[in-house]
Amino acid sequence: ETVLTQSPGVLSLSPGERATLSCRASQSVNSGYLCWYQQKPGQAPRLLISGASGRASGIPDRFSGSGSGTEFTLTISRLEAEDFAVYYCQQSGSSLYTFGQGTKLEIK
Amino acid sequence: EVQLVQSGAQVKKPGESLKISCKGFGYTFTNYWIGWVRQMPGKGLEWMGIIYPDDSDTRYNPSFQGRVTMSADKSIATAYLHWNSLKSSDTAMYYCARHRDRSWFDPWGQGTLVTVSS
Repeated sequence: ETVLTQSPGVLSLSPGERATLSCRASQSVNSGYLCWYQQKPGQAPRLLISGASGRASGIPDRFSGSGSGTEFTLTISRLEAEDFAVYYCQQSGSSLYTFGQGTKLEIK
Repeated sequence: EVQLVQSGAQVKKPGESLKISCKGFGYTFTNYWIGWVRQMPGKGLEWMGIIYPDDSDTRYNPSFQGRVTMSADKSIATAYLHWNSLKSSDTAMYYCARHRDRSWFDPWGQGTLVTVSS
């Protein structure tokens, strides 16, 4: 099983600041198989990034993804109020898909 | 617009059976997998498995195999998740999502809340 560990668990920032979220895999993941999702309270998750760096349709360009191998990063360049949510990475590179435990991005 | 619409919330007793549904709109249902994801109260996302509606090929997370059954009826563009005997530990929100093989889950259904309590 490929374990995804996200850090930090909670990130407290202010609107306008830059957010950097990390996702570390227990074994190498083909970057084509790494996605990021956003989940707001009471809502279903929403796809943000696929293939480690490709923004999904309708996702603002302040969201960007990068990384390869075992280290992946989601960056939000300038936080807006609507960006405060929980973020999950997910891999489908092995037959057992897994999600990270999530990073909660909260308003400071 | 591509959309997945799930069946409504359910309250069941331990030992009862349950089938929840996920209906696809706005795309060719048989061209994509449907994935199921569990979210227990206050917790993260857990991948349960995927089904390919065209031929009902399934892939299960071993943690869920034998506890749930995924099925699909392509004639009505609907996927199902079935329990034979519910436990209180099955209390959770269950999401379906369209899945491109070994890639993204998008979009997601609105979720079905299952509550199992005596």
